[in-house]
Amino acid sequence: AQKVTQAQTEISVVEKEDVTLDCVYETRDTTYYLFWYKQPPSGELVFLIRRNSFDEQNEISGRYSWNFQKSTSSFNFTITASQVVDSAVYFCALSEKGTSYGKLTFGQGTILTVHP
Amino acid sequence: KAGVTQTPRYLIKTRGQQVTLSCSPISGHRSVSWYQQTPGQGLQFLFEYFSETQRNKGNFPGRFSGRQFSNSRSEMNVSTLELGDSALYLCASSLYLTGANVLTFGAGSRLTVL
Repeated sequence: AQKVTQAQTEISVVEKEDVTLDCVYETRDTTYYLFWYKQPPSGELVFLIRRNSFDEQNEISGRYSWNFQKSTSSFNFTITASQVVDSAVYFCALSEKGTSYGKLTFGQGTILTVHP
Repeated sequence: KAGVTQTPRYLIKTRGQQVTLSCSPISGHRSVSWYQQTPGQGLQFLFEYFSETQRNKGNFPGRFSGRQFSNSRSEMNVSTLELGDSALYLCASSLYLTGANVLTFGAGSRLTVL
């Protein structure tokens, strides 16, 4: 069965610090997708990044970067030079070809607070 | 381009009542998924619809049901409400059922059961 674990329940940083959110996943499928979503106080989940199981290339997009390592089943997400507007709950999620791509398995979320 | 629209945004019900929540996907999106979010259980998958057919169902009792219409709009119904059904119900849409498609979420319907 698929599982996503976000060990960090809450993280507090001061503005301009870099912050890394950890995510570890379990799946038996060889084809899967990993996601990071952000949930601000308004409640709407906002898509941030996606990675498929065949592409371990790590990228940087603006202040966001991610480190996908299949060997350790980890998909960590880094925000560089954090800003107060980054304060939100961040969710790591997994979808599998064998189950259904409309079904995401979410981690428990990490509450990020960025102080001015 | 309008996003995913969920109605109502907030509602209060009492135990034993039933509730119907509505979701209008992004225009052109044919897949709709529903999720329940609670402080204790987090985000849990309820169902997934594509072309008016339920393609997948999460581990929820039969009191939770849903449907999708020919215009891709979807509704979910919870009958005989229990206190534990208090939650934020999120709807998400995507073009097709492929991994390349990202789920776009609505703002949710917050249900309080008294």
